[in-house]
Amino acid sequence: AQSVTQPDIHITVSEGASLELRCNYSYGATPYLFWYVQSPGQGLQLLLKYFSGDTLVQGIKGFEAEFKRSQSSFNLRKPSVHWSDAAEYFCAVGAGGYQKVTFGTGTKLQVIP
Amino acid sequence: DAEITQSPRHKITETGRQVTLACHQTWNHNNMFWYRQDLGHGLRLIHYSYGVQDTNKGEVSDGYSVSRSNTEDLPLTLESAASSQTSVYFCASSEAEGQKLFFGSGTQLSVL
Repeated sequence: AQSVTQPDIHITVSEGASLELRCNYSYGATPYLFWYVQSPGQGLQLLLKYFSGDTLVQGIKGFEAEFKRSQSSFNLRKPSVHWSDAAEYFCAVGAGGYQKVTFGTGTKLQVIP
Repeated sequence: DAEITQSPRHKITETGRQVTLACHQTWNHNNMFWYRQDLGHGLRLIHYSYGVQDTNKGEVSDGYSVSRSNTEDLPLTLESAASSQTSVYFCASSEAEGQKLFFGSGTQLSVL
């Protein structure tokens, strides 16, 4: 069974600083990989996804993520964080059917002025 | 615009009562899902459906049931609510395997 780990529960960054959120997965083959964002009181919204091909994936709101097979990682990055990026971010891994989509425990991002 | 709506947004109930949470989507998606979100656990899959009359158990299905009588709706029923089922519940839908999930805004359920 696949699993996903987000080692950082909470991260604080200054507005304008760069951001990297870590995600490590466990799965025997190449999985589907996703990053979702959740604003307070809202459902989750897809930021980006990786299935195959180019390992650097561009998403909405200026986010990108890089798939590194050798490290089993799919880290999310943004070069300059805005106050509106404060939210909780979830990495998810899927393989061979919806029932196997597994979410990480999330990383809560705080942005300070 | 198409959307996915959940009702109610907040619900307080007592232990042992039956509770039904509604989920309605206008995307015309065949695939629908129920998740619960708990601190330290992320989102965990409760039940899912790939179409009318199809339902399947997820990883935390005990104490929950769903039925799919049409494309638009997947109600989630707690047969006899327990305090351990206090959680935030999210409904989601998608067009096809590997495609993104569209989430509702969630239902905060408290079982006292």
